[in-house]
Amino acid sequence: GENVEQHPSTLSVQEGDSAVIKCTYSDSASNYFPWYKQELGKRPQLIIDIRSNVGEKKDQRIAVTLNKTAKHFSLHITETQPEDSAVYFCAAAQNNAGNMLTFGGGTRLMVKP
Amino acid sequence: DTEVTQTPKHLVMGMTNKKSLKCEQHMGHRAMYWYKQKAKKPPELMFVYSYEKLSINESVPSRFSPECPNSSLLNLHLHALQPEDSALYLCASSQVKGATGELFFGEGSRLTVL
Repeated sequence: GENVEQHPSTLSVQEGDSAVIKCTYSDSASNYFPWYKQELGKRPQLIIDIRSNVGEKKDQRIAVTLNKTAKHFSLHITETQPEDSAVYFCAAAQNNAGNMLTFGGGTRLMVKP
Repeated sequence: DTEVTQTPKHLVMGMTNKKSLKCEQHMGHRAMYWYKQKAKKPPELMFVYSYEKLSINESVPSRFSPECPNSSLLNLHLHALQPEDSALYLCASSQVKGATGELFFGEGSRLTVL
Protein backbone atom coordinates (compact mmCIF):
# COMPACT_ATOMS: atom_id res chain seq x y z
CA GLY A 1 0.00 0.00 0.00
CA GLU A 2 0.85 3.67 -0.13
CA ASN A 3 3.22 5.21 2.41
CA VAL A 4 3.53 8.98 2.78
CA GLU A 5 6.37 10.58 4.71
CA GLN A 6 6.16 14.24 5.74
CA HIS A 7 8.85 16.61 7.00
CA PRO A 8 9.40 18.51 9.16
CA SER A 9 7.09 17.48 11.99
CA THR A 10 7.25 20.98 13.46
CA LEU A 11 8.12 24.26 11.80
CA SER A 12 8.39 27.65 13.44
CA VAL A 13 8.70 30.77 11.29
CA GLN A 14 8.51 34.49 11.80
CA GLU A 15 5.49 36.29 10.42
CA GLY A 16 6.15 37.30 6.84
CA ASP A 17 8.66 34.51 6.20
CA SER A 18 8.02 31.57 3.89
CA ALA A 19 7.30 28.02 5.03
CA VAL A 20 7.99 24.84 3.08
CA ILE A 21 6.69 21.39 3.95
CA LYS A 22 7.82 18.33 2.02
CA CYS A 23 6.25 14.93 1.42
CA THR A 24 7.33 11.77 -0.32
CA TYR A 25 5.13 8.92 -1.43
CA SER A 26 5.82 5.32 -2.37
CA ASP A 27 3.11 4.20 -4.80
CA SER A 28 3.75 5.35 -8.36
CA ALA A 29 0.05 4.76 -9.11
CA SER A 30 -0.95 7.67 -6.83
CA ASN A 31 -2.16 10.57 -8.91
CA TYR A 32 -3.90 12.95 -6.53
CA PHE A 33 -2.09 14.93 -3.82
CA PRO A 34 -4.14 17.17 -1.54
CA TRP A 35 -3.00 19.29 1.39
CA TYR A 36 -5.23 19.70 4.42
CA LYS A 37 -5.02 22.30 7.16
CA GLN A 38 -6.31 21.39 10.59
CA GLU A 39 -6.62 24.09 13.21
CA LEU A 40 -6.78 23.05 16.85
CA GLY A 41 -10.07 21.32 17.59
CA LYS A 42 -11.30 21.76 14.02
CA ARG A 43 -11.86 19.54 11.01
CA PRO A 44 -9.19 19.04 8.34
CA GLN A 45 -9.91 21.37 5.42
CA LEU A 46 -8.55 21.15 1.92
CA ILE A 47 -6.35 24.12 1.08
CA ILE A 48 -4.87 23.04 -2.24
CA ASP A 49 -4.43 19.91 -4.30
CA ILE A 50 -2.49 18.81 -7.35
CA ARG A 51 -2.83 16.02 -9.84
CA SER A 52 -0.06 14.08 -11.48
CA ASN A 53 -0.55 15.74 -14.85
CA VAL A 54 0.50 19.08 -13.36
CA GLY A 55 3.88 20.10 -11.94
CA GLU A 56 2.89 23.18 -9.99
CA LYS A 57 -0.25 24.91 -8.78
CA LYS A 58 -0.66 28.21 -7.03
CA ASP A 59 -3.47 29.85 -5.10
CA GLN A 60 -2.60 33.29 -3.70
CA ARG A 61 0.04 32.71 -0.97
CA ILE A 62 -0.04 28.93 -1.27
CA ALA A 63 1.66 26.82 -3.91
CA VAL A 64 2.25 23.12 -4.36
CA THR A 65 4.89 21.46 -6.52
CA LEU A 66 5.00 17.85 -7.64
CA ASN A 67 7.93 15.80 -8.90
CA LYS A 68 6.52 12.51 -10.17
CA THR A 69 9.87 11.05 -11.02
CA ALA A 70 11.20 11.55 -7.52
CA LYS A 71 7.80 10.88 -5.95
CA HIS A 72 7.76 14.00 -3.84
CA PHE A 73 5.58 17.04 -3.49
CA SER A 74 5.86 20.20 -1.43
CA LEU A 75 3.69 22.92 0.04
CA HIS A 76 4.97 26.48 -0.05
CA ILE A 77 3.36 29.26 1.98
CA THR A 78 4.66 32.77 1.39
CA GLU A 79 4.21 35.85 3.57
CA THR A 80 3.06 33.73 6.48
CA GLN A 81 0.53 35.13 8.92
CA PRO A 82 -0.35 34.06 12.48
CA GLU A 83 -3.61 32.56 11.20
CA ASP A 84 -1.56 30.13 9.12
CA SER A 85 -0.60 28.44 12.39
CA ALA A 86 -2.10 24.93 12.27
CA VAL A 87 -1.23 21.33 11.52
CA TYR A 88 -0.80 20.63 7.82
CA PHE A 89 -1.26 17.15 6.38
CA CYS A 90 -0.20 16.04 2.94
CA ALA A 91 -1.91 13.04 1.42
CA ALA A 92 -1.81 10.81 -1.62
CA ALA A 93 -4.50 8.82 -3.37
CA GLN A 94 -5.42 7.15 -6.60
CA ASN A 95 -8.19 9.44 -7.71
CA ASN A 96 -9.88 6.75 -9.72
CA ALA A 97 -9.99 4.43 -6.71
CA GLY A 98 -12.46 6.21 -4.49
CA ASN A 99 -10.30 9.01 -3.13
CA MET A 100 -8.98 6.97 -0.22
CA LEU A 101 -6.34 9.21 1.20
CA THR A 102 -3.13 8.08 2.85
CA PHE A 103 -1.97 10.93 5.05
CA GLY A 104 1.50 12.03 5.98
CA GLY A 105 2.34 12.40 9.66
CA GLY A 106 1.55 16.11 9.76
CA THR A 107 3.53 19.31 10.27
CA ARG A 108 2.75 21.68 13.09
CA LEU A 109 3.38 25.16 11.72
CA MET A 110 3.76 27.99 14.18
CA VAL A 111 3.92 31.54 12.83
CA LYS A 112 5.31 33.94 15.40
CA PRO A 113 4.07 37.53 15.22
CA ASP B 1 -24.59 23.02 1.26
CA THR B 2 -21.00 21.81 1.58
CA GLU B 3 -21.29 20.55 5.12
CA VAL B 4 -20.82 17.19 6.71
CA THR B 5 -22.64 17.14 10.02
CA GLN B 6 -21.63 14.82 12.84
CA THR B 7 -23.39 14.12 16.11
CA PRO B 8 -22.70 14.02 18.93
CA LYS B 9 -19.74 16.39 19.16
CA HIS B 10 -18.61 14.78 22.40
CA LEU B 11 -19.34 11.34 23.81
CA VAL B 12 -18.22 9.70 27.04
CA MET B 13 -18.97 6.02 27.42
CA GLY B 14 -18.07 3.10 29.61
CA MET B 15 -16.59 -0.08 28.26
CA THR B 16 -19.92 -1.91 28.49
CA ASN B 17 -22.03 0.76 26.81
CA LYS B 18 -23.50 0.73 23.33
CA LYS B 19 -23.57 4.06 21.51
CA SER B 20 -23.67 5.36 17.95
CA LEU B 21 -22.02 8.17 16.05
CA LYS B 22 -23.98 9.76 13.24
CA CYS B 23 -22.97 11.57 10.09
CA GLU B 24 -25.05 13.32 7.45
CA GLN B 25 -24.31 15.06 4.16
CA HIS B 26 -26.52 16.52 1.45
CA MET B 27 -23.95 17.12 -1.27
CA GLY B 28 -25.00 14.11 -3.31
CA HIS B 29 -21.75 12.35 -2.52
CA ARG B 30 -21.92 8.59 -2.91
CA ALA B 31 -18.69 7.82 -1.02
CA MET B 32 -18.59 8.19 2.75
CA TYR B 33 -15.77 7.47 5.14
CA TRP B 34 -14.97 6.98 8.80
CA TYR B 35 -11.55 8.07 10.00
CA LYS B 36 -10.06 7.82 13.50
CA GLN B 37 -7.68 10.53 14.66
CA LYS B 38 -5.57 10.33 17.81
CA ALA B 39 -3.99 13.45 19.24
CA LYS B 40 -1.11 14.85 17.17
CA LYS B 41 -1.56 12.12 14.56
CA PRO B 42 -3.03 12.07 11.05
CA PRO B 43 -6.48 10.65 10.37
CA GLU B 44 -6.48 6.87 9.91
CA LEU B 45 -8.97 5.34 7.51
CA MET B 46 -11.40 2.89 9.12
CA PHE B 47 -14.22 2.27 6.64
CA VAL B 48 -15.31 3.36 3.18
CA TYR B 49 -18.81 3.13 1.78
CA SER B 50 -19.33 3.45 -1.94
CA TYR B 51 -22.91 3.64 -3.23
CA GLU B 52 -24.09 2.63 0.26
CA LYS B 53 -22.05 -0.58 0.17
CA LEU B 54 -19.07 -1.23 2.41
CA SER B 55 -16.09 -1.27 0.09
CA ILE B 56 -13.19 -0.96 2.51
CA ASN B 57 -12.71 -2.19 6.07
CA GLU B 58 -9.19 -1.41 7.20
CA SER B 59 -8.96 -4.35 9.63
CA VAL B 60 -11.03 -2.52 12.21
CA PRO B 61 -12.06 -4.51 15.33
CA SER B 62 -15.63 -5.76 15.32
CA ARG B 63 -16.51 -3.55 18.30
CA PHE B 64 -16.85 -0.85 15.63
CA SER B 65 -19.77 -1.53 13.30
CA PRO B 66 -20.52 0.85 10.43
CA GLU B 67 -23.87 1.29 8.76
CA CYS B 68 -24.98 3.30 5.75
CA PRO B 69 -28.79 3.40 5.79
CA ASN B 70 -29.03 5.67 2.74
CA SER B 71 -26.91 7.89 0.51
CA SER B 72 -26.95 10.78 3.00
CA LEU B 73 -26.37 9.01 6.30
CA LEU B 74 -23.51 7.11 7.84
CA ASN B 75 -23.48 5.61 11.33
CA LEU B 76 -20.79 4.06 13.45
CA HIS B 77 -22.10 1.74 16.15
CA LEU B 78 -19.86 1.30 19.18
CA HIS B 79 -19.94 -1.59 21.63
CA ALA B 80 -17.54 -2.89 24.26
CA LEU B 81 -14.92 -0.29 23.46
CA GLN B 82 -11.54 -0.03 25.14
CA PRO B 83 -9.94 3.10 26.62
CA GLU B 84 -7.44 3.11 23.75
CA ASP B 85 -10.38 3.69 21.38
CA SER B 86 -10.67 7.21 22.77
CA ALA B 87 -10.08 9.52 19.82
CA LEU B 88 -11.66 11.99 17.43
CA TYR B 89 -13.83 10.16 14.90
CA LEU B 90 -14.12 11.99 11.62
CA CYS B 91 -16.72 11.35 8.98
CA ALA B 92 -16.02 12.46 5.42
CA SER B 93 -17.69 12.32 2.05
CA SER B 94 -16.65 12.71 -1.57
CA GLN B 95 -17.61 11.92 -5.09
CA VAL B 96 -16.88 8.27 -5.83
CA LYS B 97 -14.91 9.16 -8.92
CA GLY B 98 -14.72 12.74 -9.86
CA ALA B 99 -12.75 15.66 -11.06
CA THR B 100 -12.29 17.26 -7.67
CA GLY B 101 -11.54 14.28 -5.47
CA GLU B 102 -11.93 16.49 -2.41
CA LEU B 103 -12.83 14.88 0.88
CA PHE B 104 -15.21 16.96 2.93
CA PHE B 105 -14.75 16.29 6.63
CA GLY B 106 -17.20 16.76 9.45
CA GLU B 107 -16.09 18.44 12.67
CA GLY B 108 -15.76 15.08 14.32
CA SER B 109 -17.10 13.30 17.37
CA ARG B 110 -14.67 13.29 20.27
CA LEU B 111 -15.02 9.97 22.03
CA THR B 112 -13.77 9.19 25.54
CA VAL B 113 -13.96 5.61 26.77
CA LEU B 114 -13.71 5.21 30.52
